[in-house]
Amino acid sequence: AQKITQTQPGMFVQEKEAVTLDCTYDTSDQSYGLFWYKQPSSGEMIFLIYQGSYDEQNATEGRYSLNFQKARKSANLVISASQLGDSAMYFCAMREWDNYGQNFVFGPGTRLSVLP
Amino acid sequence: DAEITQSPRHKITETGRQVTLACHQTWNHNNMFWYRQDLGHGLRLIHYSYGVQDTNKGEVSDGYSVSRSNTEDLPLTLESAASSQTSVYFCASKSGDEQYFGPGTRLTVT
Repeated sequence: AQKITQTQPGMFVQEKEAVTLDCTYDTSDQSYGLFWYKQPSSGEMIFLIYQGSYDEQNATEGRYSLNFQKARKSANLVISASQLGDSAMYFCAMREWDNYGQNFVFGPGTRLSVLP
Repeated sequence: DAEITQSPRHKITETGRQVTLACHQTWNHNNMFWYRQDLGHGLRLIHYSYGVQDTNKGEVSDGYSVSRSNTEDLPLTLESAASSQTSVYFCASKSGDEQYFGPGTRLTVT
């Protein structure tokens, strides 16, 4: 079973509008971390935001915020005031613990296109 | 500035050949990871290491091996390259809650 689900293969948003990218996760761990990464067409992976499972407040980093709903196991990324440079693939990822330490699992990604 | 580099950036090889992809980081991070990225699969973990002499298998480790003889390097070896291993390979190192990714290596197995 997929541990990270991103149900939106592609999304469109008008420039300056806000957009929400969905992410749901599956884990039985009590301690875990959730991440969002951006991958522009140039290919590099760029860290955007992190939310720990015990964090009570939603994480925010500039125009990025993470809507963390623990009971629903969702960690949606909200981008406010979209810019043309936000057009990219966005990956949700989870850090969980195995017998040796930490492990990372990535979702399949959502391609965001910002329209002028 | 500290960084993480991968080499080569592009590689074309033939089926059955042994291939080694290099990953080097200058942050002195203990945790290092190798992922492959294929369309529709996001990133999948191949191998990871939590320190010198430590290596662990990830989700898709078959046909790959790594070694960790020092903190800075985690080379990934394809013992006998297969066409199914055509992919983009990312190395990453981790400090605290953030992973830092290398620029990626595009490998084509013909």
